[in-house]
Amino acid sequence: GAGVSQSPSNKVTEKGKDVELRCDPISGHTALYWYRQSLGQGLEFLIYFQGNSAPDKSGLPSDRFSAERTGGSVSTLTIQRTQQEDSAVYLCASSAEGLSYEQYFGPGTRLTVT
Amino acid sequence: RKEVEQDPGPFNVPEGATVAFNCTYSNSASQSFFWYRQDCRKEPKLLMSVYSSGNEDGRFTAQLNRASQYISLLIRDSKLSDSATYLCVVDSGGYQKVTFGTGTKLQVIP
Repeated sequence: GAGVSQSPSNKVTEKGKDVELRCDPISGHTALYWYRQSLGQGLEFLIYFQGNSAPDKSGLPSDRFSAERTGGSVSTLTIQRTQQEDSAVYLCASSAEGLSYEQYFGPGTRLTVT
Repeated sequence: RKEVEQDPGPFNVPEGATVAFNCTYSNSASQSFFWYRQDCRKEPKLLMSVYSSGNEDGRFTAQLNRASQYISLLIRDSKLSDSATYLCVVDSGGYQKVTFGTGTKLQVIP
């Protein structure tokens, strides 16, 4: 079956611009996660959705970051007024239910802020 | 103390060797534990879940030590294809998040 998909696969943007990253989870998966990974670094947890709700948004790095999920499916991560330190690979994952279930990752969006 | 800690390595081992990694976690309320594998410039993929009783999948064995708050991964008869970064993952024990370790890099050499 189809896995997690993310778009775009690569995004180059100028400092100060807004960007929107999209994630399509595996059909039927109720839980969705966003992470970012800088070059050579570990995964930084950003946010977790159960259905359309995000119980804890404290992982988002700043108020320039926001995420939403609609219809229990597609999620978008929006970064406003991008900064160079936002450059990273943004990974989305989904799991069948909650945090105790294995996560399936998408290929990521590589964001470069110039 | 970090929530999840791993030795970054690299662990350079010859083919056929046995290698073990540990991962310590700080939250005694954590309930779910996993090992993921990440190849260079690829997304992480689940290797195995870690159960309280320990579990084995072919050449891979995972164990949980709650008293000392660590999980381990043992790889027997290492293959060149095992070369990757191994990430341990721990839930936050009631908080709505999971934490990935920074990973242990394994390089299996011919």
